[in-house]
Amino acid sequence: GNSVTQMEGPVTLSEEAFLTINCTYTATGYPSLFWYVQYPGEGLQLLLKATKADDKGSNKGFEATYRKETTSFHLEKGSVQVSDSAVYFCALTLNTGGFKTIFGAGTRLFVKA
Amino acid sequence: NAGVTQTPKFQVLKTGQSMTLQCAQDMNHEYMSWYRQDPGMGLRLIHYSVGAGITDQGEVPNGYNVSRSTTEDFPLRLLSAAPSQTSVYFCASRNADSLQGTPLHFGNGTRLTVT
Repeated sequence: GNSVTQMEGPVTLSEEAFLTINCTYTATGYPSLFWYVQYPGEGLQLLLKATKADDKGSNKGFEATYRKETTSFHLEKGSVQVSDSAVYFCALTLNTGGFKTIFGAGTRLFVKA
Repeated sequence: NAGVTQTPKFQVLKTGQSMTLQCAQDMNHEYMSWYRQDPGMGLRLIHYSVGAGITDQGEVPNGYNVSRSTTEDFPLRLLSAAPSQTSVYFCASRNADSLQGTPLHFGNGTRLTVT
C-alpha cells in the first residue's frame, strides 16, 4: 500500500545548527510530495512541495528534493532558529480514484537558543 | 480571510454521548476531509467529500458519519462517543479539480476528550 515513513523525534538542536529530517515513501504510482508544519495549537500549513522527480521545493530556508530512485523527500535547513520549533509532517498525495493525502507520523523539532 | 473554520476548539464528552464537529470553508473548495491526529500516528483520514452530496470513507471511518449538503460545510458526527475517539480532529480542504500537487488547507483543530 501507500505509506510515508519519517524519522522519529523529538529532534533537539541549538540555534544555527543544520537540520535534516528524513522522509521516505511507498507509493503505487507517481505521487506529489509535501512537507507541512504544525505550530503549537494550530493546524497544519504547507511548508513546501514537489510534484515530479528531481524537483526541489523550498520555502523559508527549508529545502527538499524529490528523489524517485531512493523514494525519499528529506527536509533540510542550513541554520535553524528558535522560531522553527514545531512538528513537521511529510506527506504524499496520489490519485487513487480521488486525490488522497497520506501523512507520516510527524517529527517534533525543538530549537534551543 | 477565514479559510477553514472549525468549532468547537475543545469538547469533553461522556461515553455514549453524541455530538457534531463543525467545519466550514469560504474558499469554494470542492474537496473537504476530516483527519484525526494521535501521538505517533500522524494524521489518519476519517471521511472525505469531493463535492456537495458526495462522501466516501477514509482509513478510519468507524464510529463517524458525515454529510455534505453544501460546498461550504462538512460536519463530522460522532454517533456514540467512545474513549478511543479521544483525539485532535482536523478538517482540511482543497480544490478537487486541480492536479494532485494542490496542497490541503487546514482548520485549527478540535480537541476532543471522551471520558
